[in-house]
Amino acid sequence: DSGVTQTPKHLITATGQRVTLRCSPRSGDLSVYWYQQSLDQGLQFLIQYYNGEERAKGNILERFSAQQFPDLHSELNLSSLELGDSALYFCASSPHTGVGNEQFFGPGTRLTVL
Amino acid sequence: DAKTTQPPSMDCAEGRAANLPCNHSTISGNEYVYWYRQIHSQGPQYIIHGLKNNETNEMASLIITEDRKSSTLILPHATLRDTAVYYCIGKLIFGKGTKLSVKP
Repeated sequence: DSGVTQTPKHLITATGQRVTLRCSPRSGDLSVYWYQQSLDQGLQFLIQYYNGEERAKGNILERFSAQQFPDLHSELNLSSLELGDSALYFCASSPHTGVGNEQFFGPGTRLTVL
Repeated sequence: DAKTTQPPSMDCAEGRAANLPCNHSTISGNEYVYWYRQIHSQGPQYIIHGLKNNETNEMASLIITEDRKSSTLILPHATLRDTAVYYCIGKLIFGKGTKLSVKP
């Protein structure tokens, strides 16, 4: 158990819909990362927040957005969902300020778009 | 961000050392090399990281070449539970990793 929690574990929805994935980092960690893992693309970095501010951006679609709240939990919003958005979404946290440091991953949310 | 190259798969006998290579020739001078592993569809697990010197912790050892263009992760006594996909990353770019199969 890494100490990072993600909810929900599974999410099934339809194309065109909008969903919100939630992540609570380890106690004391200020950095939160979001990743998408699909079968054909591997683990793709989406975005990083540090203490509420966006720190780094990866291959995140414009239909996706994220934020980190004052209590340090983070949410990833996915809108206008397409079949290709079906994937595992991981959140990771880190105590470090830099980009891409030692990260602790949550168990993931499996999103299925029908 | 540095891209890394790893063999797609490797086998190792239980109890033997598993040596997983990684090429990171484009890594910059101040960029650490990180190793993670992922068992089935669980969240990746941090293993170890290093910059120039060899590193060891309770999970593994990391050997980095002097020119920093490659490294090797060593699991000294592999067990069946070490079967996983191992990723070597420069910063935030995870490649396909190496699928390590530990066999009895």
